[in-house]
Amino acid sequence: QKEVEQDPGPLSVPEGAIVSLNCTYSNSAFQYFMWYRQYSRKGPELLMYTYSSGNKEDGRFTAQVDKSSKYISLFIRDSQPSDSATYLCAPGDMRFGAGTRLTVKP
Amino acid sequence: KAGVTQTPRYLIKTRGQQVTLSCSPISGHRSVSWYQQTPGQGLQFLFEYFSETQRNKGNFPGRFSGRQFSNSRSEMNVSTLELGDSALYLCASSFQSLGVFGTVNTEAFFGQGTRLTVV
Repeated sequence: QKEVEQDPGPLSVPEGAIVSLNCTYSNSAFQYFMWYRQYSRKGPELLMYTYSSGNKEDGRFTAQVDKSSKYISLFIRDSQPSDSATYLCAPGDMRFGAGTRLTVKP
Repeated sequence: KAGVTQTPRYLIKTRGQQVTLSCSPISGHRSVSWYQQTPGQGLQFLFEYFSETQRNKGNFPGRFSGRQFSNSRSEMNVSTLELGDSALYLCASSFQSLGVFGTVNTEAFFGQGTRLTVV
């Protein structure tokens, strides 16, 4: 079993849609969970992190962790073309999922 | 403050050659991690150096090696290049070692990467 599983997509949505990105992980010791965003030809940058279980909201972005099922999610509300990027989950120790490529069409 | 700097940005090498990539972390950061990113495999962890010691290692062959200097700058070397080594190589800098990630509130910052093409 891989440490982190993430659907690589690609995912294409119209502007304004709600986007749901998901990952599963295997190490139950993790307390901090991160989402990175990577634009084309750039290095990844930290988008959000959450601690333990629950939700964390930052503007149009919400990160959700369910430690009981080892499942983390990132929701993007009112998606914009500028959100078009690859989203990488990193539950814990910077071992990343495959990344989901998202395209938001105007 | 200055970000993570990787050099060179682009590199073209021939099969069988070797290559050295460089990463200068954010000032004060002691951890440098290296990743290989390809469309098919995503972002894969190569290894981490913390205070000049290799702390963690991913599942890559011995052709991939690295080192870290006393000023925290790190180099990654790939010997006997293969076509499959063509990828974006990224380094990440952090204050804490990856070993505590997930248990403490800390962050890693990435460089822009070195695009290696093996022909």
